[in-house]
Amino acid sequence: AQRVTQPEKLLSVFKGAPVELKCNYSYSGSPELFWYVQYSRQRLQLLLRHISRESIKGFTADLNKGETSFHLKKPFAQEEDSAMYYCALASGGYQKVTFGTGTKLQVIP
Amino acid sequence: GAVVSQHPSRVICKSGTSVKIECRSLDFQATTMFWYRQFPKQSLMLMATSNEGSKATYEQGVEKDKFLINHASLTLSTLTVTSAHPEDSSFYICSARVTGASNYGYTFGSGTRLTVV
Repeated sequence: AQRVTQPEKLLSVFKGAPVELKCNYSYSGSPELFWYVQYSRQRLQLLLRHISRESIKGFTADLNKGETSFHLKKPFAQEEDSAMYYCALASGGYQKVTFGTGTKLQVIP
Repeated sequence: GAVVSQHPSRVICKSGTSVKIECRSLDFQATTMFWYRQFPKQSLMLMATSNEGSKATYEQGVEKDKFLINHASLTLSTLTVTSAHPEDSSFYICSARVTGASNYGYTFGSGTRLTVV
């Protein structure tokens, strides 16, 4: 069974401080991992996918297979980063996607 | 980019009636669509996977006779909540798998807030 764990329901940081949203996964195969963001009253949007190794809006995430983690990081938080962030795992062939419970990021001005 | 249009955004219905929610892929063909349910302040729970031209695959605990899914074309999947009850009140979200050389992943509809009174 595949599982995604986001241990923090709420993460509050001051503007300009570093951000790290934790995500751990459990999956027996080779996972495809994603981060999705949901701003207030908007739909879920893809933020990052691990295979692309891209940086979007200053966010990065590295897949650590040894620690089975895919933490989301940003060196300097901005107020507009306040949103719900979901870590997601897709099984092989994108047959099934499992979401974490989400972390609400609150950036304090 | 790949966009999924979901309608209606809000619906209120009486207990015992049925409600249909539509999910359309606007600029791409979606052979696979997913239906999620999200309770307040909780994560998305996958209800079923819808494949064009075949029967949907339901997750454990989801009543297939209550949540009817039809994916008759490559751009449209529908979820019908039959004989709705207040406990069916929730936020329903559809998602489509996007495949391509440089653009893959999942794109989401804006969701439907169902209230059963």
